[in-house]
Amino acid sequence: GAGVSQSPRYKVTKRGQDVALRCDPISGHVSLYWYRQALGQGPEFLTYFNYEAQQDKSGLPNDRFSAERPEGSISTLTIQRTEQRDSAMYRCASSSGQSRATGELFFGEGSRLTVL
Amino acid sequence: GESVGLHLPTLSVQEGDNSIINCAYSNSASDYFIWYKQESGKGPQFIIDIRSNMDKRQGQRVTVLLNKTVKHLSLQIAATQPGDSAVYFCAEGGYSTLTFGKGTMLLVSP
Repeated sequence: GAGVSQSPRYKVTKRGQDVALRCDPISGHVSLYWYRQALGQGPEFLTYFNYEAQQDKSGLPNDRFSAERPEGSISTLTIQRTEQRDSAMYRCASSSGQSRATGELFFGEGSRLTVL
Repeated sequence: GESVGLHLPTLSVQEGDNSIINCAYSNSASDYFIWYKQESGKGPQFIIDIRSNMDKRQGQRVTVLLNKTVKHLSLQIAATQPGDSAVYFCAEGGYSTLTFGKGTMLLVSP
């Protein structure tokens, strides 16, 4: 697609429910990243993929968070048994390069998660 | 200054002035630095980057300066326009990590 697409844009859920956030990166981009951004703060790294391989998941807060990119394109970030502290904007980014230390990251509009 | 919670450092300038946004980074091993612009309700947008083997890089109306001695990065915007109003983040990257700073809000008044 023309840009990074994320869905849903807004998600309100009750504590304890599972949520799945989807990211469709720019076509042909090798690398895909998930970030979380609190209001007034910079994006905080969660995890990233090169093609379908999850290269680094050190930023995932705990084992309730997981991500996959099974075919090297669309990715899903899943949060199980959501808690109120999970409320944030979740941003996906993609890059044509294989390292997030180089090259431009293209960010999506984000998925705002609110856990009641 | 440091930002706390929602209180971002803010730089207010008049249209046409030059703006300088500063950033201190923490990791002396970082070898790649990037500036991003984030407009309200949108995702961060890449502006310019610089590698640690350079101390200055120019783009269109923007210049990034890197001082590795004091671990300081700055973004200069020439002839600031109302459309430049946004939050600006610096980010530092090694091989496996891209870490964003807390951001500075730039307000441009006509």
